[in-house]
Amino acid sequence: DAGITQSPRHKVTETGTPVTLRCHQTENHRYMYWYRQDPGHGLRLIHYSYGVKDTDKGEVSDGYSVSRSKTEDFLLTLESATSSQTSVYFCAIQGGSTGTQETQYFGPGTRLLVL
Amino acid sequence: DAKTTQPPSMDCAEGRAANLPCNHSTISGNEYVYWYRQIHSQGPQYIIHGLKNNETNEMASLIITEDRKSSTLILPHATLRDTAVYYCIVRVAQTGNQFYFGTGTSLTVIP
Repeated sequence: DAGITQSPRHKVTETGTPVTLRCHQTENHRYMYWYRQDPGHGLRLIHYSYGVKDTDKGEVSDGYSVSRSKTEDFLLTLESATSSQTSVYFCAIQGGSTGTQETQYFGPGTRLLVL
Repeated sequence: DAKTTQPPSMDCAEGRAANLPCNHSTISGNEYVYWYRQIHSQGPQYIIHGLKNNETNEMASLIITEDRKSSTLILPHATLRDTAVYYCIVRVAQTGNQFYFGTGTSLTVIP
């Protein structure tokens, strides 16, 4: 277990509503990532963080923002949710309690439904 | 990062070895081969990775061809709990590098 939790695990919201997903790690690792997974697309990187207050965009960052005010928490915000953002969202950290520093470990995911 | 090609689906009898192939003909000299799996509704799970030599851990073995253009993940005694989508990924083993997940191989272990 890589010590990653995500909250909420499930959420239903309405179009236009802001939504924040939280990723929490207990491993004190520098790198954290947000991916989304949709049928036929595999996992796609949204944003990542390489330290407190240091973030960068991934391949599908439009409509999303992130924040990292402390090492253990990485927040993903949908400022105004759209139906196209209905997806399963996974957080990952670089490294873990049993792996190498180059390996990513994933959280359990958050299922988001935007009506 | 180099692209990988995997069969979309495979079946394996319970108790038998599951051999999952992956082609990565454009792999660079400093790119590692990683394998992850994703059991339905769960987050991807790291299995194993290697550069040139064959690797083995408690979950699986990784066989990389001498020219490094292909590899095989071996689950020695497949169980029903090994039913999952298996992803082969090649990337430079550098902190911060993204993992590019394709669509993987859906392995079904049959009783």
